[in-house]
Amino acid sequence: QVQLQQWGAGLLKPSETLSLTCAFYGGPFSGRFWSWIRQTPGKGLEWIGEIVHDGNINYNPSLQSRATVSVDTSKNHFSLELRSVLAADTGVYYCARGMYASWHIDSWGQGTLVSVSS
Amino acid sequence: DIVMTQTPLSSPVSLGQSASISCRSSQSLVYRDGNTYLNWLHQRPGQPPRLLIYKISNRFSGVPDRFSGSGAGTDFTLKISRVEAEDVGFYYCMQATQFPWTFGQGTKVEIK
Repeated sequence: QVQLQQWGAGLLKPSETLSLTCAFYGGPFSGRFWSWIRQTPGKGLEWIGEIVHDGNINYNPSLQSRATVSVDTSKNHFSLELRSVLAADTGVYYCARGMYASWHIDSWGQGTLVSVSS
Repeated sequence: DIVMTQTPLSSPVSLGQSASISCRSSQSLVYRDGNTYLNWLHQRPGQPPRLLIYKISNRFSGVPDRFSGSGAGTDFTLKISRVEAEDVGFYYCMQATQFPWTFGQGTKVEIK
């Protein structure tokens, strides 16, 4: 059973960069995809983007210009950067792992509350 | 983007009774490989969502058989039989057929 442990700064000012990292323990890297999802008061659950085990990356077009998802398999880490944050980016950010080819998320991180305020 | 619309938004239910949640997508969720990537998630307050059902009707590991999913195309249903106290919280449908993946707005299940 994989475990996901995430961390990152929780208080940001507008225009700063959100940076979160998720470590995964247990289970193979191959055959999986690694996602970032957020839950905001304004939009509810929103898929941000994912990186697939073969290196392919997909983003939500609404966030693509500001988001970067990356993975470091040597450290069993994957990361999210969201640039130029706004108050509307306030919410809980989750890392998640899913099964490639059946496209369901089977493990979630504990969530990081991110607050953007001047 | 595919819009996922859930009804009802709130579902008070007595212990031991059944609850049913509907999810409708703005376009067909059948992928070119013939599969339909429609999932159901459950979220308790302060916790991340957890997977209940994937590909319309497949129960995830450890999910009680009180939970069942059905549907096709654009119309899907989650049924909870014999509701227990631990079933309270929000339920979300989610489509993974087309990027960007999208979620329903959530249905709150509570005990009356």
